[in-house]
Parts: sequence; structure tokens; C-alpha cells
Amino acid sequence: EIVLTQSPGTLSLSPGERATLSCRASQSVSSSYLAWYQQKPGQAPRLLIYGASSRATGIPDRFSGSGSGTDFTLTISRLEPEDFAVYYCQQYGSSPLMTFGQGTKVEIK
Amino acid sequence: QVQLVQSGAEVKKPGASVKVSCKASGYTFTGYYMHWVRQAPGQGLEWMGWINPNSGGTNYAQKFQGRVTMTRDTSISTAYMELSRLRSDDTAVYYCARATPYSSWVDYWGQGTLVTVSS
Repeated sequence: EIVLTQSPGTLSLSPGERATLSCRASQSVSSSYLAWYQQKPGQAPRLLIYGASSRATGIPDRFSGSGSGTDFTLTISRLEPEDFAVYYCQQYGSSPLMTFGQGTKVEIK
Repeated sequence: QVQLVQSGAEVKKPGASVKVSCKASGYTFTGYYMHWVRQAPGQGLEWMGWINPNSGGTNYAQKFQGRVTMTRDTSISTAYMELSRLRSDDTAVYYCARATPYSSWVDYWGQGTLVTVSS
């Protein structure tokens, strides 16, 4: 099983600041099979990034993804008030077919 | 617009079964896989499996093999997830989520169904 470890667990930032979230895999993951989701309290997750770096439909360009192999990054260039949420990375292709990281909470400082 | 509308919250006793439905609209139901993902209170996301609504084929996470059954009714564009022999640690919000066949991500999610297992 591929384990995804996200860091930090919590990121305390102010609106307008840059957020950098890390996702490290225990084994190499194809870039095609790495996605990022945002989840707000009481809501379902929302797809942000797929294929490591492609933005999903309707996602603002302040969100960007990068990385390869075992190290992936989600960057939010300038935090907006609506961006404070929990972010999950997800990989596909290894048994179990889909696994998620434990999440990074981006909170208002 | 794409919508996945799930059935309402359930309270079950340990050992019972629960069946959650997910009604799809706004797209061709048989053209996309349906995944099921759960989230225990305050915890992360856990993938349970998928169903291909076109063929009825399924792929379950090993952890749930023997306890989970995913089915569909194409006449009403609805997918179902049934989990049997419920335990207290099955208490979670259960989500259905759509995926393009052979894609590695899910793009639309249902609103979630809270299943509480308690004696």
C-alpha cells in the first residue's frame, strides 16, 4: 500500500500570504495519478488538481500543483478568505486503488 | 449541471446492514464510474471501491471485501452501496463520487450520508 504523508498538519497563515502544502508518497507515484482536494467543514471534498498539475474546471489560477515521483506540492499563491480549509492529496493505482493523505488544515493566523 | 444526491442519515445497530443510495443527474449515468469514499468523524478520507454503472462491474478495497456490495439501477440513474455486519467503527459519512472511466480522480461528489452505528 502506498502511504501518503502530508505536511504540515496545520498551516497558520494570513489572507494574502502564500501557502505551500507537501504530500510525500512511500513509493513512487505516477504524476498522472496524483490529485488534490479541498474540503470545508460540513461539505464534501472538491477536486482542485488532477494529474499532479492540471487545475480542475472552475478552479482559480492561484492554485497550482507540482512534483513527481514521491514528492508533490500544492501551492496557493495568495490566500483568499474562502481558501481556509483542509486539503487532501490522493493517489491512484496501487492496492488499495485509491488512497488519501491525512490532510493539511490551512487556518487563519 | 452534474448532481449526485444521496439518501438521508441512518442509525443502525451493530451487526445490521445499511444501504445508501446516490441518484445522479445532469450527465449520462452509464458513462462514468461511481466511487464510494467514507470519512469517520474528524478523520480523513477512505476509499471503499467503485462500480461501473454500464457493466455493473465492481472493484472493492480489500479491507471491505465480503462486507460491501455496490449495485446500480440504470433505469433511475442511481448507485447503491450496501455495507453489512456493521461495527461501531463504521460510523462515518459515506460519499459517492463520479469518475471518468480509467481516470485516477473523482470530479463530482454527493453531499454525503451519515451512518451512525450504535447499540
